[in-house]
Amino acid sequence: EPEVTQTPSHQVTQMGQEVILRCVPISNHLYFYWYRQILGQKVEFLVSFYNNEISEKSEIFDDQFSVERPDGSNFTLKIRSTKLEDSAMYFCASKAFRAIQETQYFGPGTRLLVL
Amino acid sequence: RKEVEQDPGPFNVPEGATVAFNCTYSNSASQSFFWYRQDCRKEPKLLMSVYSSGNEDGRFTAQLNRASQYISLLIRDSKLSDSATYLCVVNRGTGNQFYFGTGTSLTVIP
Repeated sequence: EPEVTQTPSHQVTQMGQEVILRCVPISNHLYFYWYRQILGQKVEFLVSFYNNEISEKSEIFDDQFSVERPDGSNFTLKIRSTKLEDSAMYFCASKAFRAIQETQYFGPGTRLLVL
Repeated sequence: RKEVEQDPGPFNVPEGATVAFNCTYSNSASQSFFWYRQDCRKEPKLLMSVYSSGNEDGRFTAQLNRASQYISLLIRDSKLSDSATYLCVVNRGTGNQFYFGTGTSLTVIP
């Protein structure tokens, strides 16, 4: 069964450093998402991406964040200058079609720890 | 007001019990609805979509009341493997993004 993959599974970084989280969505999917989950809290939407541009972003997704689909397979989230409060699990998700009823499939996540 | 509200539990039930989870959502523009389950430190996985007419998948039954902005999940004949956090999810917005509840924790006890 096709699945979303993410690398790395764990990332430890120093405050102020840049990190890039990588995702390979399911191959025929067209819509891509990043979510984050701070430990013990709910999953929160960061950004949606379609047709090589951002569709919508949340208040969390400020100028320190950017997304890119550099080739036909990868979908990346970059945090330019990490803060302690960026420590969280980051999930990538993808969806095949625009239909609102279509579900999103989540990757296993990257656990980011900012020291 | 929170976008999606759930009773966090925890619910501790014996094997074979029936358990029900409730969820309310605040935005009437919400367009589709799902239950996901999340095991500890894992990704959310789709349990079932929720349709206006109500739907059933084996031991699981989901109901939606748009007028009351209320979603429910019923689990019959609980198994040990049902132990997880159950996430109520609504979908809206131009990017069709998901809004998650905080989740309801279920532990099924032998």
